[in-house]
Amino acid sequence: EAGVTQSPTHLIKTRGQQATLRCSPISGHTSVYWYQQALGLGLQFLLWYDEGEERNRGNFPPRFSGRQFPNYSSELNVNALELEDSALYLCASSGDRLFMNTEAFFGQGTRLTVV
Amino acid sequence: AQSVTQLGSHVSVSEGALVLLRCNYSSSVPPYLFWYVQYPNQGLQLLLKYTSAATLVKGINGFEAEFKKSETSFHLTKPSAHMSDAAEYFCAVNFGNEKLTFGTGTRLTIIP
Repeated sequence: EAGVTQSPTHLIKTRGQQATLRCSPISGHTSVYWYQQALGLGLQFLLWYDEGEERNRGNFPPRFSGRQFPNYSSELNVNALELEDSALYLCASSGDRLFMNTEAFFGQGTRLTVV
Repeated sequence: AQSVTQLGSHVSVSEGALVLLRCNYSSSVPPYLFWYVQYPNQGLQLLLKYTSAATLVKGINGFEAEFKKSETSFHLTKPSAHMSDAAEYFCAVNFGNEKLTFGTGTRLTIIP
């Protein structure tokens, strides 16, 4: 069974441009989570999508947005890129909402570099 | 406020020595606790999770963690370190708000 897949693996953008990152969850999983892993800051929660709706977002500006498609895949968009947006962006999926001890499965991430 | 703290951003142990990675949380409600491992250039892999069935949890690769409510801790241990254990380890907590809150991670280095 395929795990969570993310594309592209690496992305280089210029400051001010837009970046689009994609995530395909494990088959049958309806919840998708996005995290930003910047150097020295651990994983910061960005967005949660479930059943096509944005359910929660972390403390990030509105230029970080996304959507979830009918097949439960998801897209993260970052507009007006800033140098500090350079980070590894991780997508995770779960078979249900993260109640209690439900496990989240992570993809290998997209490394975004803003120059 | 709900938070997760990992003491020690870098830990080095000799091959064969005990591994101890610390995780403390702050919460007014019973949390649900996880340890994830991240190998270089890879995503996160679940090592183990606290299910409330037992305070001592055994995970993959010989790791285990003990939930101590009185100390609000969930430290990760392994009796004998292997070179292949070199990675970054993250403690994560679900505070009941349907998302995982992560600690800042501990990079484990194994000395031959």
